[in-house]
Amino acid sequence: GAGVSQSPSNKVTEKGKDVELRCDPISGHTALYWYRQSLGQGLEFLIYFQGNSAPDKSGLPSDRFSAERTGGSVSTLTIQRTQQEDSAVYLCASSLYVGSGANVLTFGAGSRLTVL
Amino acid sequence: AQSVTQLDSHVSVSEGTPVLLRCNYSSSYSPSLFWYVQHPNKGLQLLLKYTSAATLVKGINGFEAEFKKSETSFHLTKPSAHMSDAAEYFCVVSSNAGKSTFGDGTTLTVKP
Repeated sequence: GAGVSQSPSNKVTEKGKDVELRCDPISGHTALYWYRQSLGQGLEFLIYFQGNSAPDKSGLPSDRFSAERTGGSVSTLTIQRTQQEDSAVYLCASSLYVGSGANVLTFGAGSRLTVL
Repeated sequence: AQSVTQLDSHVSVSEGTPVLLRCNYSSSYSPSLFWYVQHPNKGLQLLLKYTSAATLVKGINGFEAEFKKSETSFHLTKPSAHMSDAAEYFCVVSSNAGKSTFGDGTTLTVKP
């Protein structure tokens, strides 16, 4: 597509429920990234994919968080048993490929998650 | 390991006066450095990037930044602020390992 598309744009859920956030990157971009932005704070790195593999999962906050990417395209971030501290905007970005100088990230509009 | 420190969480200037947003970085590799801007309720947009070419980098909307290796700095400047510049600005360092590390952001307020 023309840009990075994320869905849903807004999600309100109850504590303990599972949620799935979807990211559709720019066509041809091999690298895909997930970040989290809490209210008034900077961006927290979660995970990135090169193709379908995730070389760096170090940013995932807990084992309740998981992500996958299939077909080198769409990615899903899953949060199990959501907690109130998971409330944030989840941002997805893509880039042509991983490598210094090429890491110009194009961001989606984000998925705002509210856990009640 | 890499890190970014944005030295000011808030900067307030008057319209027509210069803007300076400060950023210091730390990286084990020769880094690429970026500035992104986030307008209220909008997505992040690339302002400019440094990738080991010219140390003075020009970006969109009249912004520029200078890479100073000796000072490990990459400060963002603009000669004359416009009201439309009011936004959140993020300094970013990136290595070959693929991870881009964002600073905590600087909120720029422009007063009429």
